[in-house]
Amino acid sequence: NAGVTQTPKFQVLKTGQSMTLQCAQDMNHEYMSWYRQDPGMGLRLIHYSVGAGITDQGEVPNGYNVSRSTTEDFPLRLLSAAPSQTSVYFCASSGLGQRTGELFFGEGSRLTVL
Amino acid sequence: LAKTTQPISMDSYEGQEVNITCSHNNIATNDYITWYQQFPSQGPRFIIQGYKTKVTNEVASLFIPADRKSSTLSLPRVSLSDTAVYYCLVAESGTYKYIFGTGTRLKVLA
Repeated sequence: NAGVTQTPKFQVLKTGQSMTLQCAQDMNHEYMSWYRQDPGMGLRLIHYSVGAGITDQGEVPNGYNVSRSTTEDFPLRLLSAAPSQTSVYFCASSGLGQRTGELFFGEGSRLTVL
Repeated sequence: LAKTTQPISMDSYEGQEVNITCSHNNIATNDYITWYQQFPSQGPRFIIQGYKTKVTNEVASLFIPADRKSSTLSLPRVSLSDTAVYYCLVAESGTYKYIFGTGTRLKVLA
């Protein structure tokens, strides 16, 4: 099983450029989310979704857009990249039902904004 | 807000038992507590989860008191490879908004 797949693994952008980080899961999970992790820091929730067509903001949503048109995919869009968005981005998924907090994470996408 | 509080760092020696406590005063009645391990340049890895009392698996135990306002992750006989950051995770009350705390950086010494 592939689990949670993130692409690209590495990306370098210039300030002001836009891009989309892709996340796909093959576990039929309703819940998906995006976190960012700055060097030496913890994970901060950007956006999350509990199903197709439903998204909500996390702790640090500014500068990012998401949409959820299918159960499998949850892309994260950077509208106008800034150096402060240099970070490692993790996508996670989980089944719904009881809030057990058992999240399945992708391997991460390392983004550098120059 | 579902805010968790953990010690920032801990040191231990190989072979010792390590206990990391997390406080989560605002946990919702039906929500679980979940613990993760993270190595550098990797995503978090699920270790254990529990609702109340004690849960044990092949790598750790989780102790949760009756009031559920805290939990303690217990790692028996740690080795150098257990050096990592450990996070407890609960959902913001009534939502699927999972907020990680700062984590505990465990360093195991030879």
